[in-house]
Amino acid sequence: NAGVTQTPKFQVLKTGQSMTLQCAQDMNHEYMSWYRQDPGMGLRLIHYSVGAGITDQGEVPNGYNVSRSTTEDFPLRLLSAAPSQTSVYFCASSYVDGNSPLHFGNGTRLTVT
Amino acid sequence: QQPVQSPQAVILREGEDAVINCSSSKALYSVHWYRQKHGEAPVFLMILLKGGEQKGHEKISASFNEKKQQSSLYLTASQLSYSGTYFCGTQSNSGYALNFGKGTSLLVTP
Repeated sequence: NAGVTQTPKFQVLKTGQSMTLQCAQDMNHEYMSWYRQDPGMGLRLIHYSVGAGITDQGEVPNGYNVSRSTTEDFPLRLLSAAPSQTSVYFCASSYVDGNSPLHFGNGTRLTVT
Repeated sequence: QQPVQSPQAVILREGEDAVINCSSSKALYSVHWYRQKHGEAPVFLMILLKGGEQKGHEKISASFNEKKQQSSLYLTASQLSYSGTYFCGTQSNSGYALNFGKGTSLLVTP
């Protein structure tokens, strides 16, 4: 049982480049989500999904795309990276029964120069 | 949409108590509490569902007042291992999204 697996752990991009942050979970969780963490700002929700084919925007969705074609995977796409997207990104998943904890991945540290 | 946490930071001596508060402008279904150590992912502490329950294990407990849309985390007889940043996450009655506050930094000193 690997839990929530995020790749890569570190990434450096140049402004304007695109990339995909991968997230996979093996717990059959319906709910998956992406957060970014910046100093003093806490964890801010980017996008989330409650099942395959269903996605919704969180608090800070601009500049990011998601899709959920399977229960296991929830990739986050940066369309055209900007220095403001330099952050630590966490993927998290849980059941949608309203009484389940979020399981977090180990995070991806992204730097955009 | 982010809940508001207070205080922003706390410094304690070992054995002292602390309270961290979390409030929301929305009607809440649940409140989550997590602790994060530097360089690590957040770790789950507890969930409280609407109904005004109080939960706890050992020296960490929490309460949830759904009428006031507030939750408090109580740390008693603090230990060095309690140091870290504490986040509350709130889920409203109208959706699944879990939104986190900005965090409370807790430092326990010998």
